[in-house]
Amino acid sequence: KAGVTQTPRYLIKTRGQQVTLSCSPISGHRSVSWYQQTPGQGLQFLFEYFSETQRNKGNFPGRFSGRQFSNSRSEMNVSTLELGDSALYLCASSLVGMGTGELFFGEGSRLTVL
Amino acid sequence: GDSVTQMEGPVTLSEEAFLTINCTYTATGYPSLFWYVQYPGEGLQLLLKATKADDKGSNKGFEATYRKETTSFHLEKGSVQVSDSAVYFCALSPPDSNYQLIWGAGTKLIIKP
Repeated sequence: KAGVTQTPRYLIKTRGQQVTLSCSPISGHRSVSWYQQTPGQGLQFLFEYFSETQRNKGNFPGRFSGRQFSNSRSEMNVSTLELGDSALYLCASSLVGMGTGELFFGEGSRLTVL
Repeated sequence: GDSVTQMEGPVTLSEEAFLTINCTYTATGYPSLFWYVQYPGEGLQLLLKATKADDKGSNKGFEATYRKETTSFHLEKGSVQVSDSAVYFCALSPPDSNYQLIWGAGTKLIIKP
């Protein structure tokens, strides 16, 4: 079956702009979680959506937001980009929730902020 | 709160060497424990898991045993290959929760031929 698809794979933005990233989970999976990965901070949890509701949220400023659609596809948005937002953004899908530990990750969207 | 501590990397080994990557945790009750691997340029993938004390998870020649008495879940492999070069993450899921997954910082493994 098809895996987790993230688009775009690479993008370059400038400070102050906003960006929207998309994640299509494995068919039938209702949970999508998002992570920011940087060399200095490692893997940081952003938020989890389950059946269109945000179920869990990490410690990120309000510039980071997300949503999930009825088909379980999810988007995350970062407004007013800062240089420090440059990172690999990963999403993961799960059948019932990230707490099961059985996550399937996409290859990520690599964001560069200039 | 619950936490996961991994040994700092990078860990550099020669091919066919024995590998141990340490992972210890702090949690109440009996969490589930996981190892994920991230190969260069890819997302993470679940390598193995253990859901109760003394369980041994294994996959692709890697093993880890859930040790409640030492609160550890160390990853081991008897003979590493260059293709094992990757970043390895230890993670914990608290008992009776679908809502949390606690991650370690990751350990980069470099295998030299």
